[in-house]
Amino acid sequence: DGGITQSPKYLFRKEGQNVTLSCEQNLNHDAMYWYRQDPGQGLRLIYYSQIVNDFQKGDIAEGYSVSREKKESFPLTVTSAQKNPTAFYLCASSSPHRDLFYEQYFGPGTRLTVT
Amino acid sequence: AQSVTQLDSQVPVFEEAPVELRCNYSSSVSVYLFWYVQYPNQGLQLLLKYLSGSTLVKGINGFEAEFNKSQTSFHLRKPSVHISDTAEYFCAVSLIAAGNKLTFGGGTRVLVKP
Repeated sequence: DGGITQSPKYLFRKEGQNVTLSCEQNLNHDAMYWYRQDPGQGLRLIYYSQIVNDFQKGDIAEGYSVSREKKESFPLTVTSAQKNPTAFYLCASSSPHRDLFYEQYFGPGTRLTVT
Repeated sequence: AQSVTQLDSQVPVFEEAPVELRCNYSSSVSVYLFWYVQYPNQGLQLLLKYLSGSTLVKGINGFEAEFNKSQTSFHLRKPSVHISDTAEYFCAVSLIAAGNKLTFGGGTRVLVKP
């Protein structure tokens, strides 16, 4: 089955530690995205990547970093500089095909708790 | 910059009753419009989208939405809800000229009561 996997589903870290969230897709999609979800605020874009070895900052990139070394993988690192890292993190991807270009497919999410 | 407003943060509704979720957007350029559904502790699933053509769009699970350009709205409706429709619903827009970046509204939580 094609889809997006995010692991782990729940992640706990101590304050001051960096943590990396995994996102893998086997949909052959070129574009991938990371969103942060907080209650009542919808989803906010952290980083996105249109092609391998290229990525751009979204609306709330401070305290986060990404890499895109492979088409199917787009890991997100939450650094110790992120002031409020506890949140639900969602990864998404979109197809290169014209009719589906604007439709994003989402993974199941990772809930990160930092104490 | 574009923005999306979902006017109701929570909508309680009885089973088999109709429901309407309101979405308004602001943008100085043409947009594409989407509704997504999120079940508890899960990712988002696309319900329907408006790219062009007929302003009445039908989606999965019996949902439909109507694009109104003059009112910059894209309200979501279902004539008869089920318990299984209990979820959070997100409206999103994408600027046609800006690639496939989405801007989301704050979400509307629908609670279907028996």
